[in-house]
Amino acid sequence: EAGVAQSPRYKIIEKRQSVAFWCNPISGHATLYWYQQILGQGPKLLIQFQNNGVVDDSQLPKDRFSAERLKGVDSTLKIQPAKLEDSAVYLCASSRSTGGEQYFGPGTRLTVT
Amino acid sequence: SQQGEEDPQALSIQEGENATMNCSYKTSINNLQWYRQNSGRGLVHLILIRSNEREKHSGRLRVTLDTSKKSSSLLITASRAADTASYFCATDAKGTALIFGKGTTLSVSS
Repeated sequence: EAGVAQSPRYKIIEKRQSVAFWCNPISGHATLYWYQQILGQGPKLLIQFQNNGVVDDSQLPKDRFSAERLKGVDSTLKIQPAKLEDSAVYLCASSRSTGGEQYFGPGTRLTVT
Repeated sequence: SQQGEEDPQALSIQEGENATMNCSYKTSINNLQWYRQNSGRGLVHLILIRSNEREKHSGRLRVTLDTSKKSSSLLITASRAADTASYFCATDAKGTALIFGKGTTLSVSS
């Protein structure tokens, strides 16, 4: 079974620029998550999708972050405009259902200068 | 906000020794999960223990859960250099998504 795919793996941008991350979950997984992991901390949930509907986006900074999951499969996370404090690893994960084991992608390391 | 808190923050042991790390949480949970993260393989699920379970084993891993104390422990027996990684507990509180702690960094030297 193929794992969760993410791209790009690394991205360096200047503050106020925009950036987008892509995620392809494991086939058949209904639930998709985006996490932000700042160095030295655990992952923090940004948004959770069940199929193509949003279940939880309470910690997503909606003034600058947006996410969508088209047709209940692939997902994109966008930041516009980026701030220095957005420097982090952005992890995508998927699971068969909410609350179960989550499978994580390799992450995208974002550096905002 | 962080629900789980791992203890200790860092742990250094020799190969062959056992490693124990603990996790405390604040609210009622459906289940508690442990994950490992290293630079080579990213974040990997290790074990899930449900709120009605007290102990679970998987290979060299043993997890206990005490819901009355809102705490869990992860024991890795006969540690290997390859076990060097950060270990996170994550709680699934009823109706919410996983909340991760800050992790324990384990270093196993040969």
